[in-house]
Order: sequence, then structure tokens, then C-alpha cells
Amino acid sequence: GDSVTQMEGPVTLSEEAFLTINCTYTATGYPSLFWYVQYPGEGLQLLLKATKADDKGSNKGFEATYRKETTSFHLEKGSVQVSDSAVYFCALSDRAGGSYIPTFGRGTSLIVHP
Amino acid sequence: DAMVIQNPRYQVTQFGKPVTLSCSQTLNHNVMYWYQQKSSQAPKLLFHYYDKDFNNEADTPDNFQSRRPNTSFCFLDIRSPGLGDAAMYLCATGSGQHDNQPQHFGDGTRLSIL
Repeated sequence: GDSVTQMEGPVTLSEEAFLTINCTYTATGYPSLFWYVQYPGEGLQLLLKATKADDKGSNKGFEATYRKETTSFHLEKGSVQVSDSAVYFCALSDRAGGSYIPTFGRGTSLIVHP
Repeated sequence: DAMVIQNPRYQVTQFGKPVTLSCSQTLNHNVMYWYQQKSSQAPKLLFHYYDKDFNNEADTPDNFQSRRPNTSFCFLDIRSPGLGDAAMYLCATGSGQHDNQPQHFGDGTRLSIL
């Protein structure tokens, strides 16, 4: 079945540092790929997405490129802020029966210090 | 604003006492999902509805039931909560039309069992 593997956290950085959170996937088809962010006490929010190979998703300074050849969708940001502290989930969406069922990675906690 | 609303945000119940969590949406999405999320883990899909079509995950305990009386509302019933059911419960919606459409999450209900 489909699966998503994320790097283990927590990732601890100083403000303005460069961020990479690795994500790789296995899927039988050609899924869409997503990054969601979860702030403490809240639900998940879509951060960015990419729907086909070589697509780059971007939002709020975060970027990720859909790499079919390496089955990866790594999240990057050039300069993190304290407000970026949250848990980040990589996910894919593939068809299962009549619906599209997302598969989530285990999440990576990011802690940014001033 | 169109959104997914979960009530209550915090729910405390006693061991074995039935509890119902509710979710409503104004997005008019076809699909509604219920997830269980425990600390530092990925959301675990319990079941989902595509319109009135109910889809149970194979490993969802019988203790968990769901109802979707109309497009806007979906309920999660836990018949006899055990200590292991203490978790955050997330409701999400999706259009169900394409794999490139993200899910929209509510802020969750945190369930505690005494």
C-alpha cells in the first residue's frame, strides 16, 4: 500500500536558519503530494501542494518539489522564524475505491529559537 | 468564511460512558473524514463518508460509530470509551473529485477519559 516516510524530529533551529524536512513516499499510481502544518491545539492546515512530477509548491516562504525519480517531496525554507514552530506532515492522496484517501507521514516537529 | 467546525473543543467523559463528537461544514464537500490523533503521531483515519456512503477502515474498533444525517453534519459516537481512546479527534472534509484537492480540517476535539 501507499506510505509516507518523514525524518524524525524534533528539528531545532535558530531563527533565520535554513530548514529542510525530508519526505519520501511509495505509491502505486501518481499521487498528489501535500505538506500540512499543525500549530499547537489546532487542526491541520494545508501549507503547499504539488500534483505532478517536477511541480514546485510554495507558500509563506516554504517550498517543496515533486521528484518522481527519487520519490521525494522535501520541505525547505530559507530563513525560519519563531512563528514557524509547529508540526509538519507530509501526505499523499491516491484513489481508493470511490474516494481519495490521504496517507500521512508521522509528522516532524520544528522548534525555532529566537 | 467557509469552514469545518468541531464541537466541543474539549470533552471529558467517564470510562464506559458513551460520548458523541460533532462536526459541521459549510464547504458543501462530498467527503467527510474522522481521524484519531494521539500525541506525536500522524492522524489515523477511522472512517469516511462519500455522500451517504460509509467507509470503515479495517482496523477501526467496533466501539467507534459514525452518522452523517445530511451533507453538513457528521457525528462520531464512542459507545464505551476506554482509557486508550483518549486522543484528539479531527474531522476533515474533501471534495472527493480529484486527488489534487487538499483536505480541510477542523480544530479538533480533545477527548479525556476519567
